[in-house]
Amino acid sequence: KAGVTQTPRYLIKTRGQQVTLSCSPISGHRSVSWYQQTPGQGLQFLFEYFSETQRNKGNFPGRFSGRQFSNSRSEMNVSTLELGDSALYLCASSLFLAGGPLEETQYFGPGTRLLVL
Amino acid sequence: SQKIEQNSEALNIQEGKTATLTCNYTNYSPAYLQWYRQDPGRGPVFLLLIRENEKEKRKERLKVTFDTTLKQSLFHITASQPADSATYLCALDDNAGNMLTFGGGTRLMVKP
Repeated sequence: KAGVTQTPRYLIKTRGQQVTLSCSPISGHRSVSWYQQTPGQGLQFLFEYFSETQRNKGNFPGRFSGRQFSNSRSEMNVSTLELGDSALYLCASSLFLAGGPLEETQYFGPGTRLLVL
Repeated sequence: SQKIEQNSEALNIQEGKTATLTCNYTNYSPAYLQWYRQDPGRGPVFLLLIRENEKEKRKERLKVTFDTTLKQSLFHITASQPADSATYLCALDDNAGNMLTFGGGTRLMVKP
């Protein structure tokens, strides 16, 4: 099976712009999570989608939003970019087993490296 | 507040030795704990998952222990190799669904 893919891999934006990042999960995986990784804060959870619904949300401002499509592909959007938004944005998918235990391995994509100037 | 701590300093060991990495947590009651490996410029890769009712789990040269009383997990790599050099992250669930919280990671350097 193909792994998690993220596009684009690299992106340079300026302050005030907005950006949309895309994630295609592993085939059959219905849960998609997004993380932000920076040297100072490490890997931080942004939000998680399952069946086109946001199930969990991390402690990020409303400028960060996302959505999931019926084919489980997901996008995240950051509006009014700030310098501090420069980071590696990682998407992870997992196979949610309805009625089963909640612990699920997260399969990460290679990430999108965003630089805000 | 909830906190997950991993040794932020790099761990340098000689090839062939056992590397032991620590993950301590406070104010969590995780149902499970996971360990991931991350190489520079890449996403984390899942290594092992251990549940709260398991004391130890092994996979090839890897061993994880989970002590819910001490609120600590130890991650061991036996017969370490230079190819094991990477950053290792522990992650806990927060019992709120499919949400993982990650520690800051420990960078392991295995010297030949």
